[in-house]
Amino acid sequence: SAVISQKPSRDICQRGTSLTIQCQVDSQVTMMFWYRQQPGQSLTLIATANQGSEATYESGFVIDKFPISRPNLTFSTLTVSNMSPEDSSIYLCSAIIWTGTGGTEAFFGQGTRLTVV
Amino acid sequence: DQQVKQNSPSLSVQEGRISILNCDYTNSMFDYFLWYKKYPAEGPTFLISISSIKDKNEDGRFTVFLNKSAKHLSLHIVPSQPGDSAVYFCAARGSTLGRLYFGRGTQLTVWP
Repeated sequence: SAVISQKPSRDICQRGTSLTIQCQVDSQVTMMFWYRQQPGQSLTLIATANQGSEATYESGFVIDKFPISRPNLTFSTLTVSNMSPEDSSIYLCSAIIWTGTGGTEAFFGQGTRLTVV
Repeated sequence: DQQVKQNSPSLSVQEGRISILNCDYTNSMFDYFLWYKKYPAEGPTFLISISSIKDKNEDGRFTVFLNKSAKHLSLHIVPSQPGDSAVYFCAARGSTLGRLYFGRGTQLTVWP
């Protein structure tokens, strides 16, 4: 298994401001992802955080709004820029970890509950 | 387009009985399926998985069944316990290092 530390765990922000969420994994991982979970919805992938190159964004998400950094194999940040109330959501980072049985599993941080007022 | 669907947003079961959570998918390229459990204010935690080469995987009280022809999987919890009350997400992926596609989750409530 792996420990993924995400912070802040929650925040209340003013519209028009930006928030950076940090994700730290206790081991080196190849793949890291950022998801969003809006109320009553599934976890929606925002982007794949690639180490040493730009993140790969899913349809409907753009770099200007959700810039992502991945400076090394254990750390990533997601910034929610120029926030509006529609950005109120839970943001989750995830990492793919090789298990002892030769397969992989996805582990998650505890999430950041963002409220934009 | 939702590639993984959980059509029941909630399920209520008495303690000791079986809980059955269902999940359907549309993408035939998915070859690995997972169930995650999520408590409030926590991230999802991995529960159990199944490869497409199998039709059943069991881990203690939890069993996942896969019906590839129907593109359907289910999670059975026997016996259900109050501590099982949580949101359960079904997820699928198409490659070992690939992203997951999630359903919307089913809120399971196990009452004494």
